[in-house]
Formats: sequence, C-alpha cells, structure tokens
Amino acid sequence: EPEVTQTPSHQVTQMGQEVILRCVPISNHLYFYWYRQILGQKVEFLVSFYNNEISEKSEIFDDQFSVERPDGSNFTLKIRSTKLEDSAMYFCASSEGAFGGNTIYFGEGSWLTVV
Amino acid sequence: QKEVEQDPGPLSVPEGAIVSLNCTYSNSAFQYFMWYRQYSRKGPELLMYTYSSGNKEDGRFTAQVDKSSKYISLFIRDSQPSDSATYLCALNTGTASKLTFGTGTRLQVTL
Repeated sequence: EPEVTQTPSHQVTQMGQEVILRCVPISNHLYFYWYRQILGQKVEFLVSFYNNEISEKSEIFDDQFSVERPDGSNFTLKIRSTKLEDSAMYFCASSEGAFGGNTIYFGEGSWLTVV
Repeated sequence: QKEVEQDPGPLSVPEGAIVSLNCTYSNSAFQYFMWYRQYSRKGPELLMYTYSSGNKEDGRFTAQVDKSSKYISLFIRDSQPSDSATYLCALNTGTASKLTFGTGTRLQVTL
C-alpha cells in the first residue's frame, strides 16, 4: 500500500538553529499538508500546499515556518530559529484531491526535540 | 467553547466488549467526519469517514453522526487488545483543506 514517508524520524537541535523536515507524499497525490502534535496535545493543522503554493495556513504557521516542493517528489517544512516550544511530532500528509471527499494519509512523523 | 471536544480517557475495557467513543463539536459548518487511530509515537491512520448525518459500518467499526446534536460516535464491537490505541475524531467543513482534530481518547483493551 502506498505510504507517506518522512525523514528524519527523530531530530535533536539546538535552540536557534534551522531545521528541515522532509516528506515524500504518495506519488499521485496533489495536496500536501503539515500537522504537528505537541506531546500530550491534539494534532494541529499547520499548512496545506497545492500547485506549488500554500492554499491554507493556520495562525501557528508564521514567518518562522516555510514549505517547499523542491523537486517534484519531496515536500519540506523548514523551521527557522527553533524555539523550545517547537518541540513536537511533525506529520506530513497528502491527499489525491482537495478535502471534501478525499482521504488524507499521514506519515509516521518526525519527532523534533529542541534543546 | 472548544471547537471539538473529546474525552481523553483513558478508557479501559475487557476483550470482547463494545466500545463507544464520542466527540462533540460547536461549528455547524463541519460536514465531513473522520475517525483516526493512532498508536504511540506513530502517525494517525484513517479508520472511518462519514459525510453528513447517518451511520456507516465497516467490519467491527460503526461510525455515527448526529449533526442536529453536533455529536459523533465510533463503536467498536468485539474489541481486541490490538485495538488499544488513541482514537482521534477529525472534522472538516468541505470548503477548507484542514482537518480539526479532537484531543483523542486513549483506549486500553485488556485480556
């Protein structure tokens, strides 16, 4: 069964450093997403991406964050100047169409620890 | 009032029991209702997806939506130890791409 793959599975970074989390969405999917889950809290939407541009973003997704589809298969989340509160599990997801009838498939997550 | 509310549990049941998991929501714009299962430190896995009000059955799982009460349920019949996980409800309006999740209910099925 096709799946969303994410790397790294776990990253530890110093506060203030930049981090890039990588994702390979399911190959025929056109919509891509990042969600995050702080330990013990709910899964929260960050951003959705379609046709090489952001289609929707939450208030969490401020100038510290950016997304990119650099090469037609990868989808990345960049976090600049990481803060302790950025420590969370970050999930990449993808769907074939715009939600409203299309299943969103999640990856296994990248656990980010900021120290 | 929170947009989506879900009892965090934990909910402990014996093997074979019928489990009822629930979410309430406040935004009447939600049209699509999903249940995801999440094992510890893993990604959410879609279990059930329902559009608007009504019931949907898939094997041991039944999803129920009551839009008039803004209440959704997931029933698990003949629960198994392998069902032990956190169950997340997720809602979508159909006009925006994001899913709004509940906090999740942790379920433990004991032998």
